[in-house]
Amino acid sequence: DAGITQSPRHKVTETGTPVTLRCHQTENHRYMYWYRQDPGHGLRLIHYSYGVKDTDKGEVSDGYSVSRSKTEDFLLTLESATSSQTSVYFCAIRKGTSGASTDTQYFGPGTRLTVL
Amino acid sequence: AQSVTQLDSHVSVSEGTPVLLRCNYSSSYSPSLFWYVQHPNKGLQLLLKYTSAATLVKGINGFEAEFKKSETSFHLTKPSAHMSDAAEYFCVVTEYGNKLVFGAGTILRVKS
Repeated sequence: DAGITQSPRHKVTETGTPVTLRCHQTENHRYMYWYRQDPGHGLRLIHYSYGVKDTDKGEVSDGYSVSRSKTEDFLLTLESATSSQTSVYFCAIRKGTSGASTDTQYFGPGTRLTVL
Repeated sequence: AQSVTQLDSHVSVSEGTPVLLRCNYSSSYSPSLFWYVQHPNKGLQLLLKYTSAATLVKGINGFEAEFKKSETSFHLTKPSAHMSDAAEYFCVVTEYGNKLVFGAGTILRVKS
């Protein structure tokens, strides 16, 4: 258990509405990540954060924004949700002591988002 | 850029028989490789990871994987499948900066 919670766990919304997903960690890790999971694609990185107010884009960042105002919380916002953003969203934190590529990411329980 | 190919989208085995889930990777430098498992409607759990210390890596629940650089493979095996092993398995390679690149996943079915 890496001390990661996500909220909400399930959400149904309508096209064009804003949506914010929250990831909360209890272990003070510097790096946090947002992924989306779609059948046949595994998980794909949306955005990540390497510290408070420090974020960068991932592979599929279009239509998403993030914010990190304190270490424990990493927010993912869909400014105007579209049906193509229906997915399962996972947050992750990075743990490690020996270097970036050998560190391990641990995942939260996920948020299932449906955009009608 | 790194990439991962999981060679089978579905694998079906009988309980008590061996499991083989195949993974090939592409990497421009010495990679770190991981296997994660996802049970239905659950998050991802780390099974094992390779970080160049030893080519044969042992993980949880009796799983192991062997890193073969000459074949660019990192196949996951288990000598004897259990019903609780039914899940989706993801092979993952790291990019620079610990960005994970996932394979598409292999769904393992275990028949009684």
